[in-house]
Amino acid sequence: EAGVTQFPSHSVIEKGQTVTLRCDPISGHDNLYWYRRVMGKEIKFLLHFVKESKQDESGMPNNRFLAERTGGTYSTLKVQPAELEDSGVYFCASSGTGYEQYFGPGTRLTVT
Amino acid sequence: GDSVTQMEGPVTLSEEAFLTINCTYTATGYPSLFWYVQYPGEGLQLLLKATKADDKGSNKGFEATYRKETTSFHLEKGSVQVSDSAVYFCAFQSGGSNYKLTFGKGTLLTVNP
Repeated sequence: EAGVTQFPSHSVIEKGQTVTLRCDPISGHDNLYWYRRVMGKEIKFLLHFVKESKQDESGMPNNRFLAERTGGTYSTLKVQPAELEDSGVYFCASSGTGYEQYFGPGTRLTVT
Repeated sequence: GDSVTQMEGPVTLSEEAFLTINCTYTATGYPSLFWYVQYPGEGLQLLLKATKADDKGSNKGFEATYRKETTSFHLEKGSVQVSDSAVYFCAFQSGGSNYKLTFGKGTLLTVNP
């Protein structure tokens, strides 16, 4: 069974540019989560999808971040325009009916 | 607000040494508690869990006991191996319809041969 995959693994962009991160959850998992770890800090929750609906987006930092999950399969997280403080590692996770969340390897975003 | 405080790293040990990584939490209600591990170049993996007070989670020689009275979930292993070198994250999930995980900052463990 394929795990959670994320693309790209690393992205370097300039301040003001746009970046789109992609997450492919484990097939059949209705729940999809985005988290972010800024260097030296804790991993923080961004949002939670159930199928294509946003269940909880309380962790989204501001309106420069837009997450979508069209069709309830893969998800994208767009940052537009990117700021320096957006740098960090963005993790995606998915879960089925149980509590355990399965994490992807993360996308390291560097904004210069 | 909800938070997790875990031991600052990095922690460097020799092989076969005893490991403790402290973790305390602040949460409402009765959360489920977790330890996740991130090996170099990989995503986070669930290491062990405990869902109620006095439960002991265990896996791969690691153990942690849910202590409600001290709001703690310390990770221990009696004899670490080089392959245990990784970043360890303590986390909780409040439960109910709230699935989000609240994490600590992570503790980098390096085990030398």
